[in-house]
Amino acid sequence: SQTIHQWPATLVQPVGSPLSLECTVEGTSNPNLYWYRQAAGRGLQLLFYSVGIGQISSEVPQNLSASRPQDRQFILSSKKLLLSDSGFYLCAWSAPEYIGNQPQHFGDGTRLSIL
Amino acid sequence: ELKVEQNPLFLSMQEGKNYTIYCNYSTTSDRLYWYRQDPGKSLESLFVLLSNGAVKQEGRLMASLDTKARLSTLHITAAVHDLSATYFCAVDPTMEYGNKLVFGAGTILRVKS
Repeated sequence: SQTIHQWPATLVQPVGSPLSLECTVEGTSNPNLYWYRQAAGRGLQLLFYSVGIGQISSEVPQNLSASRPQDRQFILSSKKLLLSDSGFYLCAWSAPEYIGNQPQHFGDGTRLSIL
Repeated sequence: ELKVEQNPLFLSMQEGKNYTIYCNYSTTSDRLYWYRQDPGKSLESLFVLLSNGAVKQEGRLMASLDTKARLSTLHITAAVHDLSATYFCAVDPTMEYGNKLVFGAGTILRVKS
């Protein structure tokens, strides 16, 4: 069966510091991968998605970036964090071929607090 | 731009009562998903609705899709405390955006004993 791992679970960082969040998927090949952010009490905002190694699409201009160095690894980064980057970051995967009957599957999330 | 609107955004209900959460979306789509999120937790997939008239049921929850009206409903029957959570609908517009989802703002459900 497929599993998705995200780490760290929580992170407290000062303004201006760098960021690296990692997500890995097991049990499938060439998944579509997604990074979402959820502000407190709000819905999900799609930040990045990837359909293959090195292929990244950005949905929202910001000081975050994403990379996919390996097939099942997705990394969210920042060189200098802003206060507005605080939130709950969720990684998700979906089946490689577009099959509408498969939902996106979410990791446990990283709660990021910027001080 | 695709908009997905849920209402109500907050719902407080007594155990044993019935209620419906509505999800309206602004563009053509025949793929809609419902998720549940417990406080501080990730999202859990509840239902996948793939065609006009689709109806899915799991326990006390039933979801339906009317693609002509661009409306999905999540009906709660005889609510119990364990159903307290935030419920999201998400739409896949496919033809415009590829395999991406646009989420509603979520409905916070509190079931009172």
